[in-house]
Amino acid sequence: NAGVTQTPKFQVLKTGQSMTLQCAQDMNHEYMSWYRQDPGMGLRLIHYSVGAGITDQGEVPNGYNVSRSTTEDFPLRLLSAAPSQTSVYFCASSAPTGASLGLLHFGNGTRLTVT
Amino acid sequence: QQPVQSPQAVILREGEDAVINCSSSKALYSVHWYRQKHGEAPVFLMILLKGGEQKGHDKISASFNEKKQQSSLYLTASQLSYSGTYFCGTYMDSNYQLIWGAGTKLIIKP
Repeated sequence: NAGVTQTPKFQVLKTGQSMTLQCAQDMNHEYMSWYRQDPGMGLRLIHYSVGAGITDQGEVPNGYNVSRSTTEDFPLRLLSAAPSQTSVYFCASSAPTGASLGLLHFGNGTRLTVT
Repeated sequence: QQPVQSPQAVILREGEDAVINCSSSKALYSVHWYRQKHGEAPVFLMILLKGGEQKGHDKISASFNEKKQQSSLYLTASQLSYSGTYFCGTYMDSNYQLIWGAGTKLIIKP
């Protein structure tokens, strides 16, 4: 059981370039999300999805796009990379329980550097 | 809106106890606790739902005081494996947004 798989693990971009971070889960979770984590800080929510075809913005959505065409996949697109987007990106999925989020399963992260 | 964690860091000897606090200025529906080791993804510890319940896992337990809008994580007889950064995530209701504290770094020395 693979869980949550993120690719790539490392990426270096030049300012202005675009790219897509991939996230896939095989647990049939409805909820998926993207976080960024800057050094010495907590996680900040970028975008999330509660099911295929449904996405919404989190705390820090500017500069990022998402789509959710299937339950399994939730890619994150950087439109025009900026040095401020240098961070570690985590994808997480969950099966909501009742009205609350359940246990979050995290991918191993993507370390992105923008020069 | 971000929950406030305290202390920011704590250094313990193996076998000592620790308490990590998480407080919010807004009413909470649930509090989630995770531990992250350096260079790794966060790992789930427990979820506490409103109702003042206390949950436990091995020698790690937590409480949630809904009226005070705060949660505390208790680590008893700490082990070297407990080292890492502990994050609380607060969930206010119906918006599927888990808002995270800045973390508490726990260092356990032999």
